[in-house]
Amino acid sequence: GESVGLHLPTLSVQEGDNSIINCAYSNSASDYFIWYKQESGKGPQFIIDIRSNMDKRQGQRVTVLLNKTVKHLSLQIAATQPGDSAVYFCAENTGGFKTIFGAGTRLFVKA
Amino acid sequence: DARVTQTPRHKVTEMGQEVTMRCQPILGHNTVFWYRQTMMQGLELLAYFRNRAPLDDSGMPKDRFSAEMPDATLATLKIQPSEPRDSAVYFCASGLGAGIGELFFGEGSRLTVL
Repeated sequence: GESVGLHLPTLSVQEGDNSIINCAYSNSASDYFIWYKQESGKGPQFIIDIRSNMDKRQGQRVTVLLNKTVKHLSLQIAATQPGDSAVYFCAENTGGFKTIFGAGTRLFVKA
Repeated sequence: DARVTQTPRHKVTEMGQEVTMRCQPILGHNTVFWYRQTMMQGLELLAYFRNRAPLDDSGMPKDRFSAEMPDATLATLKIQPSEPRDSAVYFCASGLGAGIGELFFGEGSRLTVL
């Protein structure tokens, strides 16, 4: 698999703690948002999504919050595990099929 | 287990050479995307297709890059001539379109241009 050694903001958390990863998006007209996880050597993988008519959506151990007023997304991971260590990207659908990715945050989970 | 397949996985070439990267989207997916990932720029959208028609290639350097879908099972990204600044990991992703829904990514093609 492939990856790059990205120079990214880093979040370091203790195993078992909750993680919060933040993202600012750019286009106020974006109507659909997705969080992806990229493990070393792999392509990004879908975690959870949210439409602009919602402000919160929950999955298994993950929650996405959307604040359209300030164009902000967050991903909350409950009871963070070593397997959660990865780079996390938010992505926005800016209309039609165009999906634009944010800069990414690297999450380190300390055992 | 359906997945997006990219070839080659690694490519080392010399400046000026032509490079072609290939992608087989998941069967039944009608949108295909090409992204480039570098240390400095993160994931950049280069081009995307729906039903094999190019919708937007504004992220691509037009003078040297070209993207095509000769058929529904193959997408290609060509660089001619390649330059050292093209060194990156190139990802292909496919989806079901309709503006929502996840994209499924391949494992990427790492290109090094010397």
